[in-house]
Amino acid sequence: SQTIHQWPATLVQPVGSPLSLECTVEGTSNPNLYWYRQAAGRGLQLLFYSVGIGQISSEVPQNLSASRPQDRQFILSSKKLLLSDSGFYLCAWGIRQQYSTDTQYFGPGTRLTVL
Amino acid sequence: KQEVTQIPAALSVPEGENLVLNCSFTDSAIYNLQWFRQDPGKGLTSLLLIQSSQREQTSGRLNASLDKSSGRSTLYIAASQPGDSATYLCAVLFSGGYNKLIFGAGTRLAVHP
Repeated sequence: SQTIHQWPATLVQPVGSPLSLECTVEGTSNPNLYWYRQAAGRGLQLLFYSVGIGQISSEVPQNLSASRPQDRQFILSSKKLLLSDSGFYLCAWGIRQQYSTDTQYFGPGTRLTVL
Repeated sequence: KQEVTQIPAALSVPEGENLVLNCSFTDSAIYNLQWFRQDPGKGLTSLLLIQSSQREQTSGRLNASLDKSSGRSTLYIAASQPGDSATYLCAVLFSGGYNKLIFGAGTRLAVHP
């Protein structure tokens, strides 16, 4: 069966510090991978998605970047965190399709607080 | 602009009640609509997926309906239990928006004994 991992589970960082969140998927090959952010009291917002190694699409302009160094690894980064980067970050995977209309499976999330 | 709205934002009911959660979306051209459950501080669990050609989907005590023409979906929970307490999220995949789910803000449900 497929499993998706995220770490760390919780992170508290000062403004201006760097960020690296990691997501890995097991039990499947060539997945689509997604990064979402959930701000307090709001719905999830898609930040990035990837249909293959090195292929990253950004949905919104922001202070964050994403990379996919391996097939089942997706990393969310920032060089300098802002207060507005606080939130709950969720990674998801889906069956690989360039133009996917399939469901997505979500990881446990990372709670980021920027102080 | 493609948007998804969920009403009510919060709901508190006694155990055993049947309840309905509402989701509306601004564009009837969709691929599918999904309902997810999120427990506090946790990830999302997919409950039901309705394709654009379908009218409803059922899983156990859950039933989701879809009316594309009116831009609405409802999630019906029968005989609610305290274990149903969670936030329920509606997400729409609009036509042309491959890979991009648009989420509502959710309905926070509390079922008390």
